[in-house]
Amino acid sequence: SQKIEQNSEALNIQEGKTATLTCNYTNYSPAYLQWYRQDPGRGPVFLLLIRENEKEKRKERLKVTFDTTLKQSLFHITASQPADSATYLCALGPNNAGNMLTFGGGTRLMVKP
Amino acid sequence: SAVISQKPSRDICQRGTSLTIQCQVDSQVTMMFWYRQQPGQSLTLIATANQGSEATYESGFVIDKFPISRPNLTFSTLTVSNMSPEDSSIYLCSVVGGYTDTQYFGPGTRLTVL
Repeated sequence: SQKIEQNSEALNIQEGKTATLTCNYTNYSPAYLQWYRQDPGRGPVFLLLIRENEKEKRKERLKVTFDTTLKQSLFHITASQPADSATYLCALGPNNAGNMLTFGGGTRLMVKP
Repeated sequence: SAVISQKPSRDICQRGTSLTIQCQVDSQVTMMFWYRQQPGQSLTLIATANQGSEATYESGFVIDKFPISRPNLTFSTLTVSNMSPEDSSIYLCSVVGGYTDTQYFGPGTRLTVL
């Protein structure tokens, strides 16, 4: 069955450092992968989309890589700030059933001042 | 991007009752989705709300428990019927934006069933 894995343990880093979050998947051939940010009690907010034929995408302090051979995406936040503290979700789509997105469990990031 | 609002933002309900959640989008969209996020968990797709036809439900979700309406291209409702404490979750509606594959989410409805 399709499986999307994100590190369930919280990632704690110091302000100014680069945060790197991992998303691994199996039994899946996604056309694209998306990263979302979710704050407590709120809906996910879209950050970046990367397609299967793209290796890397950047947006301001964010960088996403997509390795379809390793079946892995890495999400980087450079020069991290306490305001970056949130849960980050990866989502792959469309899934084998033809639906839009399947979400990973998310990784909580804590940036300490 | 699409701006999505949901009502109510939160509610506390008694076991056996039903709650209808509304989702309003500021533009016409083809695809609308309803997700559930149980405490500490990720998002699980409940169904795709289709305009003019019945919703398409994911495995484990049925129309009798989660009836959905989609009267037009900007509005949908999800009803959680005959609630039990296991239905306590955040319910989120989502749309696909424009010509992209990006999904935009509403703020969610936090439901607590006693």
